[in-house]
Amino acid sequence: AQSVTQLDSHVSVSEGTPVLLRCNYSSSYSPSLFWYVQHPNKGLQLLLKYTSAATLVKGINGFEAEFKKSETSFHLTKPSAHMSDAAEYFCVVSDDSKLRSPGGGADGLTFGKGTHLIIQP
Amino acid sequence: AAGVIQSPRHLIKEKRETATLKCYPIPRHDTVYWYQQGPGQDPQFLISFYEKMQSDKGSIPDRFSAQQFSDYHSELNMSSLELGDSALYFCASSLRSWDRTYEQYFGPGTRLTVT
Repeated sequence: AQSVTQLDSHVSVSEGTPVLLRCNYSSSYSPSLFWYVQHPNKGLQLLLKYTSAATLVKGINGFEAEFKKSETSFHLTKPSAHMSDAAEYFCVVSDDSKLRSPGGGADGLTFGKGTHLIIQP
Repeated sequence: AAGVIQSPRHLIKEKRETATLKCYPIPRHDTVYWYQQGPGQDPQFLISFYEKMQSDKGSIPDRFSAQQFSDYHSELNMSSLELGDSALYFCASSLRSWDRTYEQYFGPGTRLTVT
């Protein structure tokens, strides 16, 4: 079974300063990890994904994340926050073990509880 | 690029009524997933379909059922609605492979309000 822990329920930064949203995961296998963003009353948009290729992953809108197996972390960063970044961010893990099971079915994603990012002007 | 389409976007029902939510996946995607997101909560996986057959099941109540049709669109049927069913319901779609995980693309959601 897999799980995700987002260490901060709320993060507040000033516009133009760096953003760090922290995520730790637990998974039986080498997982696939994602960050999704949800703006108010909007759907979920994929920011970036890690699928066992490069450990530093670049996503859209200047975001990136680094997979650190030794720390079981997948923190999301951005060098300079913009007002439009204010949203809810979800760290997500996919259980790839089902891919290795004979007849294994597709599985739902496991979401963290979310981090609400506030951008101060 | 084409995205996942969900209809209706908003739905208001009374307790004990039924509701049907529709999802049209991205063209050529063969797997559809349904999620429920309660107020202030993270999305919870309900059920998934691959090539028109149920693939996996999450925390879907027995009052809910779903299916995927020959054109790959999916419908989530909800009966005997309860106040607690008020939530945002997302559909997502992806390609499927036995040796790698493809990312899921989410639709805009259907906001269901049960009164």
